[in-house]
Amino acid sequence: RKEVEQDPGPFNVPEGATVAFNCTYSNSASQSFFWYRQDCRKEPKLLMSVYSSGNEDGRFTAQLNRASQYISLLIRDSKLSDSATYLCVVNNKPGNTPLVFGKGTRLSVIA
Amino acid sequence: GAVVSQHPSWVICKSGTSVKIECRSLDFQATTMFWYRQFPKQSLMLMATSNEGSKATYEQGVEKDKFLINHASLTLSTLTVTSAHPEDSSFYICSARDHRSGPIGTGELFFGEGSRLTVL
Repeated sequence: RKEVEQDPGPFNVPEGATVAFNCTYSNSASQSFFWYRQDCRKEPKLLMSVYSSGNEDGRFTAQLNRASQYISLLIRDSKLSDSATYLCVVNNKPGNTPLVFGKGTRLSVIA
Repeated sequence: GAVVSQHPSWVICKSGTSVKIECRSLDFQATTMFWYRQFPKQSLMLMATSNEGSKATYEQGVEKDKFLINHASLTLSTLTVTSAHPEDSSFYICSARDHRSGPIGTGELFFGEGSRLTVL
């Protein structure tokens, strides 16, 4: 089983739609979780950290379910500019260790 | 958020030459930086972990003599692709964790802008 798994998509949704991505992780000792966004031919950029209680930032909501070992990202009122690849990222170990990246889910928001 | 700067953004070189890529943390100190490589339509692949003042830790399958890493200061790490060949053409991205941010004890990871290497 891969350490971090995501549905690669693509998800093609109309503007204004609500879309949700899930991500599962295999290491039950994983400590922290993030969603990154990567545009074509650009570097990944942090979208949001995922806290145990869930957190919201504008149109974006992230949830963590430790019991089932999955993380979700919900995007409401999709914009054309939301089109990108969304990377699920997990920190398995304490300290300054590399994060583990999922392969990403591609989203295309269509006018 | 924190700023990580990478240079150069683009480089085209002839086969057999060496290319140096610099990664700087501009507003925080980074004892550790991470180097990734990404081929078109592929996921990020961790190449090595760069440690200030000590040797880098390379991932399995990454040749340390080909990809030389130097972490000379708390704000600078360099990756040198030695004797580059066309198959080394890729998008190289550095990153560093800013422990001032993110969930307690973790720190959010910030990326440089990436360096696109094309070897002819």
